Amino acid sequence: DAGVTQSPTHLIKTRGQQVTLRCSPKSGHDTVSWYQQALGQGPQFIFQYYEEEERQRGNFPDRFSGHQFPNYSSELNVNALLLGDSALYLCASSLAARRDGYEQYFGPGTRLTVT
Amino acid sequence: QKEVEQNSGPLSVPEGAIASLNCTYSDRGSQSFFWYRQYSGKSPELIMFIYSNGDKEDGRFTAQLNKASQYVSLLIRDSQPSDSATYLCAVRVRGGYNKLIFGAGTRLAVHP
Repeated sequence: DAGVTQSPTHLIKTRGQQVTLRCSPKSGHDTVSWYQQALGQGPQFIFQYYEEEERQRGNFPDRFSGHQFPNYSSELNVNALLLGDSALYLCASSLAARRDGYEQYFGPGTRLTVT
Repeated sequence: QKEVEQNSGPLSVPEGAIASLNCTYSDRGSQSFFWYRQYSGKSPELIMFIYSNGDKEDGRFTAQLNKASQYVSLLIRDSQPSDSATYLCAVRVRGGYNKLIFGAGTRLAVHP
């Protein structure tokens, strides 16, 4: 049973550049959520994709955008990178049809450093 | 007031003891509650979830939920040094599809 995968593992970018992070959900899951985790903090919700559409968005600027593909995989794009975007970016997958726990499973994350 | 609050710790317990981790939340309509374990430099790993008042047990772990007090806890029995990690409490709020709100986490240190 394949778990959540993310790529790349680490990334170093310069201020003003653009970055694309990728995620493949756990086998059987159809919903992908993206979170940003700064050092010493809990993950912060960026947005969620279901049926190839952004279903909900957290308090993040429009520089953060995403996409979900027909195979349920997803991309997170960040434009005009700022130093404050340096963080661990986490992808979580879940199954929309579950009515009880809606448990989410995280991938290994992408560590983004902006210099 | 933060939506989900946890003591940052560190919570230090001796090996074999019971570790008690606590979390409070502000939205009374919150529906599901999750505990994740995160080792340093790694991603969060789901330990347990609970959505009904009372206790839920899974091996050495017990989650406790009291919706009237807006309080959820995680007990770890027979704590081991390998349990040393940050424990994140997460809440699925009403109307939020599957958006999770996380606390900042409690760091647990189990010493031999």
